[in-house]
Amino acid sequence: EAQVTQNPRYLITVTGKKLTVTCSQNMNHEYMSWYRQDPGLGLRQIYYSMNVEVTDKGDVPEGYKVSRKEKRNFPLILESPSPNQTSLYFCASSLSGTGTNEQFFGPGTRLTVL
Amino acid sequence: DQQVKQNSPSLSVQEGRISILNCDYTNSMFDYFLWYKKYPAEGPTFLISISSIKDKNEDGRFTVFLNKSAKHLSLHIVPSQPGDSAVYFCAAKFTFNTNAGKSTFGDGTTLTVKP
Repeated sequence: EAQVTQNPRYLITVTGKKLTVTCSQNMNHEYMSWYRQDPGLGLRQIYYSMNVEVTDKGDVPEGYKVSRKEKRNFPLILESPSPNQTSLYFCASSLSGTGTNEQFFGPGTRLTVL
Repeated sequence: DQQVKQNSPSLSVQEGRISILNCDYTNSMFDYFLWYKKYPAEGPTFLISISSIKDKNEDGRFTVFLNKSAKHLSLHIVPSQPGDSAVYFCAAKFTFNTNAGKSTFGDGTTLTVKP
């Protein structure tokens, strides 16, 4: 089944404790992206990757890191999480970052930083 | 500066009637627009899209209209069904420039279709 998977689905952590949210897609998509969803703010793009080893900042990259060493994986790293990073996170992928391709989203990761 | 806005946080309609969801954008360089639907505890799923060179795209019960001069698009659902109850996100992107990887989403509109 074609899908985007994220792990963990739920995470409660404390301020300053480094964490990684994994994202994997099995559709051989070139493009991957991370979003956060907050009440009243919709989906905001954190980082995106047009292809392996190519990443770029979205609208809210502060406090986050990403890497794209393999085509299928695009982990989101919070080196020192803070309470304002409490949010619902979505990973997405598409065939290409250019053109008219729609994105396929993972099920989301709900992160709480205490 | 929010470049894509959905000014109605919620909309309630009766089953069988038309649902109209609106979206406004500010950047005239956006050339592709998409609507996504999101159920609770799931990720958004693609619904329908439209290129800036068109003014209408139809797919079954769903039609998207684009008014470039007004920088406005709308999603029409006819007839509305209870299963359409979800959050709808409008998104805008550039297809072939240096910002092609960026996607900008609106805040979302929660649609409730009453039986």
